[in-house]
Amino acid sequence: GIQVEQSPPDLILQEGANSTLRCNFSDSVNNLQWFHQNPWGQLINLFYIPSGTKQNGRLSATTVATERYSLLYISSSQTTDSGVYFCAVELATSGSRLTFGEGTQLTVNP
Amino acid sequence: DAGITQSPRHKVTETGTPVTLRCHQTENHRYMYWYRQDPGHGLRLIHYSYGVKDTDKGEVSDGYSVSRSKTEDFLLTLESATSSQTSVYFCAIKAYGYTFGSGTRLTVV
Repeated sequence: GIQVEQSPPDLILQEGANSTLRCNFSDSVNNLQWFHQNPWGQLINLFYIPSGTKQNGRLSATTVATERYSLLYISSSQTTDSGVYFCAVELATSGSRLTFGEGTQLTVNP
Repeated sequence: DAGITQSPRHKVTETGTPVTLRCHQTENHRYMYWYRQDPGHGLRLIHYSYGVKDTDKGEVSDGYSVSRSKTEDFLLTLESATSSQTSVYFCAIKAYGYTFGSGTRLTVV
């Protein structure tokens, strides 16, 4: 089945640092999304990005569909960026269902 | 906010009892989903629906059933709850991308 692998599994930063999170997937996708799960458990949609590059403030994402990976960039990190970041994909061949990676646990220290 | 409401938000139940979780949407989306989230795992798909009375299994469907008699409501039922079903349950809809509800924390004791 579809494999979605995220790296690193854990990341600890000082406030103000930059970071890159990676998502590799094993097959062609119709949809790729990045989510942030905050410490209260809410899943916040960051980007809908099956291909190309998008930016939203300090966050940006790039998906290279032909090479089957996506990157999430966080610049000038803040303590409120802490939480788990999930990559999730919808396979081109499996219909409308989203498969999640295991996530990256990000801790930003003041 | 995509207008997704999950109820209850928290529930503690005893082993062997039936439990029903409700997901309600206000925007008439065709696709609705139930996921569970456990420590050490990402979210895993339990069941999903692609229309009224149209449902299909996900990767962790054993012990769960679903029903969708109206477009706006998608119910998840644990016929006889077990401790292994202690988890956080998320409902989702598919519109432009997927949007998730706030989750239901279920504890089976």
